[in-house]
Amino acid sequence: KAGVTQTPRYLIKTRGQQVTLSCSPISGHRSVSWYQQTPGQGLQFLFEYFSETQRNKGNFPGRFSGRQFSNSRSEMNVSTLELGDSALYLCASSFTSGSQDEQFFGPGTRLTVL
Amino acid sequence: QQQVKQSPQSLIVQKGGISIINCAYENTAFDYFPWYQQFPGKGPALLIAIRPDVSEKKEGRFTISFNKSAKQFSLHIMDSQPGDSATYFCAATLLGDYKLSFGAGTTVTVRA
Repeated sequence: KAGVTQTPRYLIKTRGQQVTLSCSPISGHRSVSWYQQTPGQGLQFLFEYFSETQRNKGNFPGRFSGRQFSNSRSEMNVSTLELGDSALYLCASSFTSGSQDEQFFGPGTRLTVL
Repeated sequence: QQQVKQSPQSLIVQKGGISIINCAYENTAFDYFPWYQQFPGKGPALLIAIRPDVSEKKEGRFTISFNKSAKQFSLHIMDSQPGDSATYFCAATLLGDYKLSFGAGTTVTVRA
């Protein structure tokens, strides 16, 4: 069974630009969550999508947005990039059967903002 | 604010020794406490998880101890091996929720 796939794996952008990151969940998984990982703040929850609907959102500015498609693939977008947005962005998928299903993380997209 | 506090930041243990990582949480509504293991260049992977209705859970060399009244839980890695060298994160959430609140992480180095 293929794992969670994230593309691209590495990105370099400059301040003020925008970026779109992509996540393909494990086949059959309907929930996709996004996390930001930095040395200073650790792992922080961005948002979670289930059946194309955002179910939960973390404490991030509106520059961070996401969406989920009917095939459960998800994208997150960051507009007007700031230096502090440099981070590893992780996507996790879950089956969601109503109980606590394991979240499977992808390898992440390393974003560097110059 | 950090809802889950984790310590120590790093630890070094000899092969065969015991690694102990501690976490404390603020939100008494949390009812699911997973531990994740992360290797360089990889995403975190679920190691073991516990619910507050049990005080201890063991899976192989990994044991979670849970103290509900103190709002604390810990991970014990018995007979530590060099392959256990990784960063470990405790987390907490509400059962059925997928918004994990993570601790800051502990880098474990196992010396052969």
